[in-house]
Amino acid sequence: DAGVIQSPRHEVTEMGQEVTLRCKPISGHNSLFWYRQTMMRGLELLIYFNNNVPIDDSGMPEDRFSAKMPNASFSTLKIQPSEPRDSAVYFCASRPPGAGGDTQYFGPGTRLTVL
Amino acid sequence: SQQGEEDPQALSIQEGENATMNCSYKTSINNLQWYRQNSGRGLVHLILIRSNEREKHSGRLRVTLDTSKKSSSLLITASRAADTASYFCATRMDSSYKLIFGSGTRLLVRP
Repeated sequence: DAGVIQSPRHEVTEMGQEVTLRCKPISGHNSLFWYRQTMMRGLELLIYFNNNVPIDDSGMPEDRFSAKMPNASFSTLKIQPSEPRDSAVYFCASRPPGAGGDTQYFGPGTRLTVL
Repeated sequence: SQQGEEDPQALSIQEGENATMNCSYKTSINNLQWYRQNSGRGLVHLILIRSNEREKHSGRLRVTLDTSKKSSSLLITASRAADTASYFCATRMDSSYKLIFGSGTRLLVRP
């Protein structure tokens, strides 16, 4: 079975540019999470979708960050304009429905470098 | 805010030895999970223990949970070089969907 798919795996951009990260969750999973990981702050939850609806975006750092989930098989995280402090590894994770739905399945991550 | 804190931050052992990592948290939980992260990769779920459980096993992994002390430990027996990774605990409270991750323990298993 294919796991969570993220693209691109690496992104290098210049300050001020728009960045779009993509995620395809595992088929049948109905929850999707975007995380950011840095050495200083560890793993932070940015936003949580359930059944394609954003439930909690309180972790989104500021208005420069936005996320969408137009259907059950695709989500994007956009940063516009990007800044050097946005450099991090961004993970997408999905979770199945039901009583066994506590485990999260992580993608390989996108390493973002903003120059 | 509730957060799992792992101890030690880093651990270096010889192949074949056992590795023990500890996690402490602050408030009541529904469950506690352990994840592994290899360098440059995403996190992989290892094991979940619920608040009404005290011990769980999975292969060479043994997890204990002491809710009175708000702590958990992960034991990896007969470690292998391939176990080299960072290990994170994550807690979920009742009535919450969020997993709160700790800062991780970096384990190095020397061949």
